[in-house]
Amino acid sequence: DGGITQSPKYLFRKEGQNVTLSCEQNLNHDAMYWYRQDPGQGLRLIYYSQIVNDFQKGDIAEGYSVSREKKESFPLTVTSAQKNPTAFYLCASSIEGVSNQPQHFGDGTRLSIL
Amino acid sequence: GENVEQHPSTLSVQEGDSAVIKCTYSDSASNYFPWYKQELGKRPQLIIDIRSNVGEKKDQRIAVTLNKTAKHFSLHITETQPEDSAVYFCAASKGTYKYIFGTGTRLKVLA
Repeated sequence: DGGITQSPKYLFRKEGQNVTLSCEQNLNHDAMYWYRQDPGQGLRLIYYSQIVNDFQKGDIAEGYSVSREKKESFPLTVTSAQKNPTAFYLCASSIEGVSNQPQHFGDGTRLSIL
Repeated sequence: GENVEQHPSTLSVQEGDSAVIKCTYSDSASNYFPWYKQELGKRPQLIIDIRSNVGEKKDQRIAVTLNKTAKHFSLHITETQPEDSAVYFCAASKGTYKYIFGTGTRLKVLA
């Protein structure tokens, strides 16, 4: 879905460093999500936001932080507290956060440790 | 806790044959079941979904069936083609933000 843009495509993190992954959507969707994907596992929810200036922890929020200052943007910061950050990170959005609306994904950011 | 089991983890079929992937969910309150296709290094793309008030849904060569009593749903791909090769994920949701994803099935269509 061309309406969700994630950047960068690849990112490297040094020990003790915080890094921020960008997610922008022009679909006018209210809800946005961050998932982590590890090999051989399903997608796991990190954080989600149903509306501007509000967000909730998902299943694996420890070591991550988010903000939702604009409807179009939902950046994810991987902090130094996340000891195993190497993974493929996917951002998604949906029309609203309830009522069984399909989630649409961006192209992902692959994060590795230097 | 909530869980979705997906089988098989890998599946190889000859071009033109059918492929079936099955998911079993634990939460009987689940009422929405999307399927995603993910090619290597790319985004998951929604290919079909089904809601609990429907038993089957078709879209060209793809179909999904739902058995609420047994709590399982299946993806059926007929007349498979090489471009169907990808990882397929199922998910279950109960009308909230939260999807519970299966662990994925790597489908390989052999020419």
